[in-house]
Amino acid sequence: TQLLEQSPQFLSIQEGENLTVYCNSSSVFSSLQWYRQEPGEGPVLLVTVVTGGEVKKLKRLTFQFGDARKDSSLHITAAQPGDTGLYLCAGENSGTYKYIFGTGTRLKVLA
Amino acid sequence: DAMVIQNPRYQVTQFGKPVTLSCSQTLNHNVMYWYQQKSSQAPKLLFHYYDKDFNNEADTPDNFQSRRPNTSFCFLDIRSPGLGDAAMYLCATSRDLGTSSPLHFGNGTRLTVT
Repeated sequence: TQLLEQSPQFLSIQEGENLTVYCNSSSVFSSLQWYRQEPGEGPVLLVTVVTGGEVKKLKRLTFQFGDARKDSSLHITAAQPGDTGLYLCAGENSGTYKYIFGTGTRLKVLA
Repeated sequence: DAMVIQNPRYQVTQFGKPVTLSCSQTLNHNVMYWYQQKSSQAPKLLFHYYDKDFNNEADTPDNFQSRRPNTSFCFLDIRSPGLGDAAMYLCATSRDLGTSSPLHFGNGTRLTVT
């Protein structure tokens, strides 16, 4: 069974701080996606990474896919209260094409 | 705007009383998924349809069924809800399987079982 472990599980920081969220697995994924989910809403796609070693930037968010396509990280620079939410990584199983969600990181940014 | 719409947003049912949740999409996507998400946990895939082909996850209880009468609509039927079935139920679509097709989620239906 493929598992995606995210760390940390919870993170509470002050506005303006930097943070990194990790998504790790022992399995290889065809692609990996990051979603953000706010309370009472469905997850919203932030980015898809496909190539090992790929780095993508979305404003203050930087996403990296590991060289072996088994892990990924999300770095937020100068966090803002609007970044508060549940961050989920989701890996695409190359055999079944299904997405396996990570355990989630709940981020709270305090003003 | 093209989107995924779930109704109702909140549903209360009694223990053992059948309930149906609905999902519609205007994206014309081939794949529709149902996920169960319990408090502060990751979404768990229950099943998905690729067009009319139904794919059940091995660990999805028999209590959960689904119907997709046409491309736009998909339903989740819970035949005899138990207290443990209280959760947020998320419908999602994707253009295709694989090819890194992202998931487009609805806002979910929060199910309460009394």
